[in-house]
Amino acid sequence: GAGVSQSPRYKVTKRGQDVTLRCDPISSHATLYWYQQALGQGPEFLTYFNYEAQPDKSGLPSDRFSAERPEGSISTLTIQRTEQRDSAMYRCASSPSVMATDTQYFGPGTRLTVL
Amino acid sequence: TQLLEQSPQFLSIQEGENLTVYCNSSSVFSSLQWYRQEPGEGPVLLVTVVTGGEVKKLKRLTFQFGDARKDSSLHITAAQPGDTGLYLCAGPNNNAGNMLTFGGGTRLMVKP
Repeated sequence: GAGVSQSPRYKVTKRGQDVTLRCDPISSHATLYWYQQALGQGPEFLTYFNYEAQPDKSGLPSDRFSAERPEGSISTLTIQRTEQRDSAMYRCASSPSVMATDTQYFGPGTRLTVL
Repeated sequence: TQLLEQSPQFLSIQEGENLTVYCNSSSVFSSLQWYRQEPGEGPVLLVTVVTGGEVKKLKRLTFQFGDARKDSSLHITAAQPGDTGLYLCAGPNNNAGNMLTFGGGTRLMVKP
């Protein structure tokens, strides 16, 4: 596609519910990243994929968070048993490769609110 | 853990003024990137600096990478209201591929 897209753009859920967020990266990009961004702060790394492999998930805050990219394209981030502290903007980014100097292209994000 | 600290956190200036924002770390980075984020949008890459002492210019924006590759600065000349946004610096985590560590950002408001 023309850019990185994410859905839904906004999600409001009740504490204890599970949510799944979706990311559609730029179609030719091998690498996909998930970040969590608090209001007015920089994004914080959660995990990344190189094609379908997930080499690093060290940034996931707890085992309630998981991510998949089964066919090396679309990715989902699932938060189980949501808590109020999970409320944040979740951003996805993709880049052509894992090279450090590659540009990461960010999506518009999903704003999650846990009541 | 490699941390990036940005200063100032907030900056409100009048159109036409000059400004400099800073990005500092105690760690060496192989490269640093500067992003600009507008409300409701994702960060957009402005520049990547790779070589210690490097200076890059993008119209009215001048980016400098410190000689020791531990810090960087962004200078804006004759700021315009369209420069308003959140400016983020980011560097790759040396231990984790292309994972980016972001600074906390500088929120700039340029008033007409």
